[in-house]
Amino acid sequence: RKEVEQDPGPFNVPEGATVAFNCTYSNSASQSFFWYRQDCRKEPKLLMSVYSSGNEDGRFTAQLNRASQYISLLIRDSKLSDSATYLCVVNRGAGNMLTFGGGTRLMVKP
Amino acid sequence: GAGVSQSPSNKVTEKGKDVELRCDPISGHTALYWYRQRLGQGLEFLIYFQGNSAPDKSGLPSDRFSAERTGESVSTLTIQRTQQEDSAVYLCASSLLTAVSYEQYFGPGTRLTVT
Repeated sequence: RKEVEQDPGPFNVPEGATVAFNCTYSNSASQSFFWYRQDCRKEPKLLMSVYSSGNEDGRFTAQLNRASQYISLLIRDSKLSDSATYLCVVNRGAGNMLTFGGGTRLMVKP
Repeated sequence: GAGVSQSPSNKVTEKGKDVELRCDPISGHTALYWYRQRLGQGLEFLIYFQGNSAPDKSGLPSDRFSAERTGESVSTLTIQRTQQEDSAVYLCASSLLTAVSYEQYFGPGTRLTVT
């Protein structure tokens, strides 16, 4: 089983739609969780950290379910510019090493 | 402020040649990581440096790969006797590593093509 698993997609949605991605992780000792965004042929960029109580940043909402070991990202009112690959990232146990999921590709269409 | 920089941005080399890739981390970041990303694939961890500790080399795919870091600054990744399967984007990331923050910030990568 992979340490971090994501549905690779692609998710094809119209502009304005709400879309949600889930990610599962295998190490119950993991403590830090992130969503990164990677545009085509670009480096990954930090989108947001994921906190235990859930957190929101504009149109983006991240949630963590420790009991079930999954993380979610909700994007409301999708924009064309949201088209990218979204990487779920988890630290390895108690340390600072990060494990990156394979990514979920989102394509927002006009 | 300045982000992570990498050079060269692109490198084309012949099979069997050695290549050296450079990474300049964000100033003050104590941790530095190298990753490889093949076309259409996810990130593959290669090596990790943290301060003066021994590097974590657990991700290096073969002994043709090595890396060095001078203190908390520049790092170089060297690939000897390159093979076609080494073709990929090599990404460097750095991290400040506070008690509550493990975020990594990436450079633009070096796209390596082995012909």
